[in-house]
Amino acid sequence: AQSVTQPDIHITVSEGASLELRCNYSYGATPYLFWYVQSPGQGLQLLLKYFSGDTLVQGIKGFEAEFKRSQSSFNLRKPSVHWSDAAEYFCAVGGTGNQFYFGTGTSLTVIP
Amino acid sequence: NAGVTQTPKFQVLKTGQSMTLQCAQDMNHNSMYWYRQDPGMGLRLIYYSASEGTTDKGEVPNGYNVSRLNKREFSLRLESAAPSQTSVYFCASAHTGANVLTFGAGSRLTVL
Repeated sequence: AQSVTQPDIHITVSEGASLELRCNYSYGATPYLFWYVQSPGQGLQLLLKYFSGDTLVQGIKGFEAEFKRSQSSFNLRKPSVHWSDAAEYFCAVGGTGNQFYFGTGTSLTVIP
Repeated sequence: NAGVTQTPKFQVLKTGQSMTLQCAQDMNHNSMYWYRQDPGMGLRLIYYSASEGTTDKGEVPNGYNVSRLNKREFSLRLESAAPSQTSVYFCASAHTGANVLTFGAGSRLTVL
């Protein structure tokens, strides 16, 4: 069965510190992987996606993610967090079909 | 560019009342989706429509009906609202094969 696990419900980091949000997936075929960000009261915005090729993908707002097939992981990273990065982050998996599966989200708090 | 537009943004219902959430997209996308978002549950797929004239159940379809009125519009109907349907509802769309979802801003529904 397809599923996405985000083991960290909530993370707090200091502004300027590095960030890594974890994502593990279960998918029966070649996965398409996504990270979305949701600011309070807003819809979800695509941060980055992985379809194929280079396993390190760059996204908007200075985020990057690395696909590791052997670990079934797609962790999101940012070298230096800004206060405006405080939001909820969702990892998602899809494929060549029409369904997408989302994790339960990680809420990020940034301390000034 | 409007993208995905949902109405209404907020709604309060009494148990047993009915209502329809409207969604329209102007990106000529083939696929459209309805998700609900609940704390600690992430996004769960209610229904999706791979193309005009087709609809399929997602993970949590009970208590909901959908209509893909045309390529642009995909509505979600609650025939007899229950408190368990209190949630934030998101509509999304995607090109078939592109596998990137574009989300609306969400509709917050409270059922008393």
